[in-house]
Amino acid sequence: EAQVTQNPRYLITVTGKKLTVTCSQNMNHEYMSWYRQDPGLGLRQIYYSMNVEVTDKGDVPEGYKVSRKEKRNFPLILESPSPNQTSLYFCASISSGTGGLSKNIQYFGAGTRLSVL
Amino acid sequence: GQSLEQPSEVTAVEGAIVQINCTYQTSGFYGLSWYQQHDGGAPTFLSYNALDGLEETGRFSSFLSRSDSYGYLLLQELQMKDSASYFCAVLSGTYKYIFGTGTRLKVLA
Repeated sequence: EAQVTQNPRYLITVTGKKLTVTCSQNMNHEYMSWYRQDPGLGLRQIYYSMNVEVTDKGDVPEGYKVSRKEKRNFPLILESPSPNQTSLYFCASISSGTGGLSKNIQYFGAGTRLSVL
Repeated sequence: GQSLEQPSEVTAVEGAIVQINCTYQTSGFYGLSWYQQHDGGAPTFLSYNALDGLEETGRFSSFLSRSDSYGYLLLQELQMKDSASYFCAVLSGTYKYIFGTGTRLKVLA
């Protein structure tokens, strides 16, 4: 079964305590992405990765880091979390395409609800 | 700046047809996607338009007019289970996505 697995699903932490949210996909996709979802703002892209060791910033990268050492894993790192990073986070794995005419489908994980106190 | 606009809420009755519009203003454009998200769930893919015209998938259809920077999602034969939020999303660069703020659809019995 095609899956994107995020862990943990829920996390409460305190300001400044480093944390990592893991994301793993079993579809052999090259492309993966992280989003945050806040009420009234929709989903905003944090970082994305085109392949192993290739990442780029989305619209809201400040305060986040990512790494892509293996194709299946794309962890999101908050080195010094702050309360404004309290949000619902989604990882997505994207079906590969060769350009604009390809049907680009994002498969989302179940989400991680993060609270930073 | 870059933005996508869609109505915040739409209400319709079971069995009806509803259209959710999306207008966009982005620096690049490769295609327009639609995603459905039930409360507490993850977004799931519905459709993707790279070219002008209508794409049909069962009860759902999606339309794109690149010259008007406009698209819509059409849901036919509405069912209670269609009550959810619907997001349009522009692929504005190589795997760079911009999402709209979402339309909450309420289906009434």
